Formats: sequence, C-alpha cells, structure tokens
Amino acid sequence: DQQVKQNSPSLSVQEGRISILNCDYTNSMFDYFLWYKKYPAEGPTFLISISSIKDKNEDGRFTVFLNKSAKHLSLHIVPSQPGDSAVYFCAASAWGGGADGLTFGKGTHLIIQP
Amino acid sequence: DGGITQSPKYLFRKEGQNVTLSCEQNLNHDAMYWYRQDPGQGLRLIYYSQIVNDFQKGDIAEGYSVSREKKESFPLTVTSAQKNPTAFYLCASRKQGETEAFFGQGTRLTVV
Repeated sequence: DQQVKQNSPSLSVQEGRISILNCDYTNSMFDYFLWYKKYPAEGPTFLISISSIKDKNEDGRFTVFLNKSAKHLSLHIVPSQPGDSAVYFCAASAWGGGADGLTFGKGTHLIIQP
Repeated sequence: DGGITQSPKYLFRKEGQNVTLSCEQNLNHDAMYWYRQDPGQGLRLIYYSQIVNDFQKGDIAEGYSVSREKKESFPLTVTSAQKNPTAFYLCASRKQGETEAFFGQGTRLTVV
C-alpha cells in the first residue's frame, strides 16, 4: 500500500506563473518530508524539506506547506521557470526510522510552457 | 570534490547472468541505500546499510544482494533470480543524524 501519494502524474504550467505540486501521506509516523527534483537519466537532487513541527518552509522561489491534520503537503514554485521542468518526488521519513531510508511518491512531471 | 559515484552509467546483461553495480562515496556518510526506479513507479528501496558489515532488506530485496565491507562502498549485485532487472538503479548516502539523502547519477541496467 502506497504510504506517499502524488496523484498528479503530470502538471503543465505557464512560465512566470505559480506551480503547485501536491503530496499526501498515510503513515502517521512520518515526521520529516522532502522534495527532490529529477532530470531524465540523472539522480534526484534535494530541493527543500520540512519538519512536522513546522507548517511552512521557504527557500527562494520554493515553498513547502505541511498540513498535518490532512496529512498533506504541497510544493509551490513561483515564478516558474523553464529550468523547473523535471520530475518532482515527494519523500517522507519517520525519524529514528529515518535510517531505514526515505519513502518516495511516484513523482509528478512538471512541464513549464514558454 | 565530495560526492557519490555510480558506475557504469549504462550496463547490459544477458539473461541468467549476475551483474554488480558499483557505488562509492567520499562524503564520510554512515548510511547507504540502493533504490530502483521504474517508469511511473517512483523510487523503491532495495537494500540499505547503516554501518559497515551490516545491511538490511528494503521493500524489494528479492533477487538482489549487497555487501558493505568498507564505509565508502556499497555494491549491489543483481542476480539471475531477479525476474525483471531492467531498470534505473540509484545509490544514495546519508549522514548520521540528518535526513537528507544524496544520490548518485544512477546506472541504467538493461537485460538483453
């Protein structure tokens, strides 16, 4: 059973607008969440993370929001740029169980239209 | 220049053969991981190791084996028992006490 779900396989956004990528999780033990960006035939690169004690974390154009009661997080990219076109993976970790590895969603392919 | 190196980038294997994928890191990270990526499947954990000479099965360990004789190295062997080995394999490492994992560039394995 999938513990981390990204229900949108793809998302198309116009350059300069806001991109919103969503992620839901089912495991209440998860207390740390990460977003990774991946280009084809390359390894994922870390983008931004958030601890469960926070509800928002911001880094430049990227902001992650966490709604613990809804078990939902989202990644906002504003403004969207052509180089943002990639697959974005949501990942979760249960601290203490964090050494067991991250649990990943299936990814959302973000396409930025010029 | 610190990082994780996976080799080779592309690998072809005949059915019935074992093949070993290399993963080396010079980040002095304690934990290392192997993931597999299939189209539309995200990343699934094969094996992980938190310390030298110790490793644990992940979600899809059947048909794979690993060793961790050195802190820097965590090779993955894809055995002939793995029914569907064609995939993109990713190695990652993580520093003790931190959650962020760093990934290598991946190895594309194709069974011919």
